[in-house]
Amino acid sequence: GNSVTQMEGPVTLSEEAFLTINCTYTATGYPSLFWYVQYPGEGLQLLLKATKADDKGSNKGFEATYRKETTSFHLEKGSVQVSDSAVYFCALSSNTGNQFYFGTGTSLTVIP
Amino acid sequence: NAGVMQNPRHLVRRRGQEARLRCSPMKGHSHVYWYRQLPEEGLKFMVYLQKENIIDESGMPKERFSAEFPKEGPSILRIQQVVRGDSAAYFCASSPPDRATNEKLFFGSGTQLSVL
Repeated sequence: GNSVTQMEGPVTLSEEAFLTINCTYTATGYPSLFWYVQYPGEGLQLLLKATKADDKGSNKGFEATYRKETTSFHLEKGSVQVSDSAVYFCALSSNTGNQFYFGTGTSLTVIP
Repeated sequence: NAGVMQNPRHLVRRRGQEARLRCSPMKGHSHVYWYRQLPEEGLKFMVYLQKENIIDESGMPKERFSAEFPKEGPSILRIQQVVRGDSAAYFCASSPPDRATNEKLFFGSGTQLSVL
């Protein structure tokens, strides 16, 4: 079946620190992989995506590479800001059944 | 072009009452997904609907919960005889009917249900 396992939080970092949030997946077929971000009191917004092996998604300084050999899609940012404080969700979209699967979310707090 | 609209933003119910959550998808979108978010549990899939048809309800509790997406009007998630454990944020997402695997879902801002 399809599932996403995400690094548990919460994560607290100082401003300008390096961020990694781990995500691994199990999937049948050829999924696309996504990172969504949820700011306080809001719905989920797409942060970045990758649609095939070795693709790198990037946006707002965040990056993630689709690694088929390790079934991973880890989120990274070289220098976090206070405004990056949010909950981050890893997700996969299966090419069978038109379904989306989400990880449990990782809460990030960046302190000045 | 308005995004996915959910209402109400906050809903308070007493145990035993009914809760009705509404979701209007983006214009041109005929597919709707409902998710429930509980603290420490992340985002759990509940049901996937297209107009007048339930495609996948494998995440929906068998009792008290129902969902519909009529030909006209918003999608409705209905919870009968609510209990305290139903307190959560409920999110709706929509997509066009021909969404490709590599295309995203569009999310609403959610309804926070509190059961007293």
